[in-house]
This record gives sequence, structure tokens and C-alpha cells, in this order.
Amino acid sequence: DAKTTQPNSMESNEEEPVHLPCNHSTISGTDYIHWYRQLPSQGPEYVIHGLTSNVNNRMASLAIAEDRKSSTLILHRATLRDAAVYYCILRDVQEGNTDKLIFGTGTRLQVFP
Amino acid sequence: GAVVSQHPSRVICKSGTSVKIECRSLDFQATTMFWYRQFPKQSLMLMATSNEGSKATYEQGVEKDKFLINHASLTLSTLTVTSAHPEDSSFYICSARGDDRGSSSPLHFGNGTRLTVT
Repeated sequence: DAKTTQPNSMESNEEEPVHLPCNHSTISGTDYIHWYRQLPSQGPEYVIHGLTSNVNNRMASLAIAEDRKSSTLILHRATLRDAAVYYCILRDVQEGNTDKLIFGTGTRLQVFP
Repeated sequence: GAVVSQHPSRVICKSGTSVKIECRSLDFQATTMFWYRQFPKQSLMLMATSNEGSKATYEQGVEKDKFLINHASLTLSTLTVTSAHPEDSSFYICSARGDDRGSSSPLHFGNGTRLTVT
């Protein structure tokens, strides 16, 4: 399975933008880039995903490098409720693959008031 | 959005007993469910993948006779921790996927079950 590398932790102040990086240099052409986050004592929550083009939704934006070897999750205005562990995961949905999500260590985001 | 319900949210049991955890997809049919375990301050570790009506596929190092998985219907999968020991104390999380393989749609996760074995 292609691996991802993320910083262990990051900090932000409330109302400021946050850029969470992810490196995935061994990504294959059929790997989607998924982001999930996990709040304390809860199951993971889907944030966003993309393949090649940048993506926006109500929670965040995903910027994908042209060579797809890295991506950045952007929270436009961090709130205290965004404090969580953010996981960047590659997912290959081709038929014949198990389509399972393998979690790395993620980035623990702290948000200060 | 799709909801996955896990029950119980917390359970305490004595060493040597068995505990069953349920994972239900509330508004979609889950052809595939995944079971994860998470120790404090660590990431989620995939334990097994279950497909409705067939045997679960366990990840390397996970004892299939200790962690029994049953996916008898399209909305319910269960994980039974048999002969539990204190080292089985952990946060168990399930996730489910509908019959949309190949679409890259997200997986839906339950809120986890905190198991404490005394």
C-alpha cells in the first residue's frame, strides 16, 4: 500500500487558516487522496477527497500538487471544534483491490483561542 | 448523510468473559464492514474486513479465533472478543461501505466502543 507522511502535530490560533501537509511520493495513478479527522473519543469523520484536481466542500479545501506526490488540507478559518487528529490516506478503489483504509499516524491539530 | 451506529459505546467486563460489539448501518446497505482497534495515543489499526455472507479476512497478527466477526446481514456486523484479557482493553471502531465500490465515496465510521477488561 502506498504510504503517506504527515507532521506529528501542528498548532493554530482560532479564526486563522490552517494548512495541513501530506506527502505521498509513491502514489499510484488510481489512488484517491482521502482526508479524515478524529475528534477525541470518537470514530473518524470524513473530511474531503480528491484524485487530481483541487476540491472544495463546506468543511475544507484540498490542494493537490500537479505531480500528485503531495497534497494540503486547508481549513480556511480554524475553530476550537477543529482540534483533532487529521489523517491523510490513499485509497485505491479499483476492482479486485480490498478498498480498505490504512491509517498512518496523522497530524494532531491544536487550536488556541 | 449515511450513519453507522455502534453499540455499546462503553463496556467493562471481567477477564475470561466474552464481549460482543454491534455495528449497524442505519440508512444504507453495507456490503463491506471494517473493524479497527485503537490504543491510547495511537492510530487506528485495521483488524479485519468482513463482507456480508462470507468469512472475514483478518489482517496479519490478528487472531481470528479470538476476534470473531459475523456479517450476517447487509446492515449488521458483530465483533466478539472471546476470553477477554486486560491487554484487549482498547477502543474498537467499525466502518462500513455501501455497494458503491469503485466510486471512491467515503467510508462511514461508528463512534467506537471503549472496552475495559478488568
